[in-house]
Amino acid sequence: EPEVTQTPSHQVTQMGQEVILRCVPISNHLYFYWYRQILGQKVEFLVSFYNNEISEKSEIFDDQFSVERPDGSNFTLKIRSTKLEDSAMYFCASGTGLAYEQYFGPGTRLT
Amino acid sequence: GESVGLHLPTLSVQEGDNSIINCAYSNSASDYFIWYKQESGKGPQFIIDIRSNMDKRQGQRVTVLLNKTVKHLSLQIAATQPGDSAVYFCAENGKAGTALIFGKGTTLSVSS
Repeated sequence: EPEVTQTPSHQVTQMGQEVILRCVPISNHLYFYWYRQILGQKVEFLVSFYNNEISEKSEIFDDQFSVERPDGSNFTLKIRSTKLEDSAMYFCASGTGLAYEQYFGPGTRLT
Repeated sequence: GESVGLHLPTLSVQEGDNSIINCAYSNSASDYFIWYKQESGKGPQFIIDIRSNMDKRQGQRVTVLLNKTVKHLSLQIAATQPGDSAVYFCAENGKAGTALIFGKGTTLSVSS
């Protein structure tokens, strides 16, 4: 069964450093999403991406964040200058957009 | 702001019991509701969904009930098993391809 994959599983960085989190969505999906989950809290929406552009973003997704689909398979989230409060699990999800379901990857833990 | 939330943070049941996990939502414009299961260290896993034009939907051992009058959603798990132990989130959105809004989660613990 096709699934969303994410790398790395765990990323350790220092404040002020740039990080890039990578995702490979399900191959026939057209909508891509990033969510995050701070330890013990609910999952929060960051951004959605469709047709090579951001279709929706939350207040969390400020100028420090960017997303890119550099090729036909990868979808990345970049944080330019990490802060302590960026520590969280980051989940990538994808969906067809024709149906409501979104399928989540296993997450990257950013410390 | 509008949000989806769960009534209880934890629920403990015995193996074989039926479990009911509840969720209250506030956005009356929401069209789609989903239950996700999240095991420790993993991403949310889709369990079952329901559209706003339905009030009940059944899957394998799971049933979702939607009461639009009181904006309440519930997940029923029949014959709960130790493998059902996880955090359960309800989520909603108003349109395919848009952001899912998650509730806070209920931790289900199943003892044998």
